[in-house]
Amino acid sequence: NAGVMQNPRHLVRRRGQEARLRCSPMKGHSHVYWYRQLPEEGLKFMVYLQKENIIDESGMPKERFSAEFPKEGPSILRIQQVVRGDSAAYFCASSLERGVTYGYTFGSGTRLTVV
Amino acid sequence: EDQVTQSPEALRLQEGESSSLNCSYTVSGLRGLFWYRQDPGKGPEFLFTLYSAGEEKEKERLKATLTKKESFLHITAPKPEDSATYLCAVRWVLTQGGSEKLVFGKGTKLTVNP
Repeated sequence: NAGVMQNPRHLVRRRGQEARLRCSPMKGHSHVYWYRQLPEEGLKFMVYLQKENIIDESGMPKERFSAEFPKEGPSILRIQQVVRGDSAAYFCASSLERGVTYGYTFGSGTRLTVV
Repeated sequence: EDQVTQSPEALRLQEGESSSLNCSYTVSGLRGLFWYRQDPGKGPEFLFTLYSAGEEKEKERLKATLTKKESFLHITAPKPEDSATYLCAVRWVLTQGGSEKLVFGKGTKLTVNP
């Protein structure tokens, strides 16, 4: 039973390019959460999705960032026209249902570097 | 918004030297306090969930406790493999709307020297 799979592990983009980060939740999990970890900062919530629905995107920057979790396939976090400040580690977590008592399972993250 | 503060930011221990990490929080109705371990280059690994004051959970050399305002992660006789960053988070729930998220502290970086 594979855990939460994120790819790529490392991504380098030039300023102005697009970054696409993928997250495949644990088998059977239909709830996905994206977090961002900036250097010297804690993990910050970005967005909470269920299959085909965005439940809460209050942590997403208003511009350039979008997320989706289609009926088939992985969840995608998309960053358009990246800037140096987008450089961070992006983590995805999944859960079987809302209100879990056993914690969310995190992936190993995608480390985005904008040059 | 809910606030989570962890102390100390960094802690160096000798192997076998027990100590405690602190997590203080301000929430309007705790819906769960989580402890995670994070190794360099990896995602957070779930350790414990605590829900009510007085609750305690144990796992090997780790023991987590909870009061109304803070949680402690006690490390007994640590080993070098316990070196990691330990993260504390509280679960925030929107009563109406179905949203929820974890609010994390900045973590305590623990180094255990042999």
